[in-house]
Amino acid sequence: EPEVTQTPSHQVTQMGQEVILRCVPISNHLYFYWYRQILGQKVEFLVSFYNNEISEKSEIFDDQFSVERPDGSNFTLKIRSTKLEDSAMYFCASSGDLGEQFFGPGTRLTVL
Amino acid sequence: RKEVEQDPGPFNVPEGATVAFNCTYSNSASQSFFWYRQDCRKEPKLLMSVYSSGNEDGRFTAQLNRASQYISLLIRDSKLSDSATYLCVVNQGNNDMRFGAGTRLTVKP
Repeated sequence: EPEVTQTPSHQVTQMGQEVILRCVPISNHLYFYWYRQILGQKVEFLVSFYNNEISEKSEIFDDQFSVERPDGSNFTLKIRSTKLEDSAMYFCASSGDLGEQFFGPGTRLTVL
Repeated sequence: RKEVEQDPGPFNVPEGATVAFNCTYSNSASQSFFWYRQDCRKEPKLLMSVYSSGNEDGRFTAQLNRASQYISLLIRDSKLSDSATYLCVVNQGNNDMRFGAGTRLTVKP
């Protein structure tokens, strides 16, 4: 069964450093998403991406964040200068036309 | 007002019970609706989409009331494996996906 994969599973970084979180969506999906979930809190929408551009982004997705689909398979989230409050689980998801999203296992980001 | 609201629970029910979860959303232009389940420290997994006519998948029934901006999920004959957090998800349009905070369910023997 096709699945969304994410790497790394856990990333530890120093405050102020840049991180790139990577995702490989399901191959025939056209819509891609990033979410974050701070421990014990709800899943928060960051951004959706379609046809090589951002469709929608939330108020969380400020200038520190960017997304890219550098090739036909990867979908990345970059955080330019990490803050302590960026520590969270980051989930990537992809969907087809019906909008039913399939999530990757997540990357746990710890900012020290 | 929160975009998507759910009763956080917890709901503690015995095996075999029927349990219902509710969800309300604030954006009347919302286009599509879903229920996901999330196990502790795992990713959300799609349970079912919610259609205007209501839909059923085995022991699970989902309903949508657009006029009241309300979604429900009914679980019949609860199993121990149904224990999880149930997330209501609303597409506000243009794939702007908003999650409720989730309702925690524990099914006990």
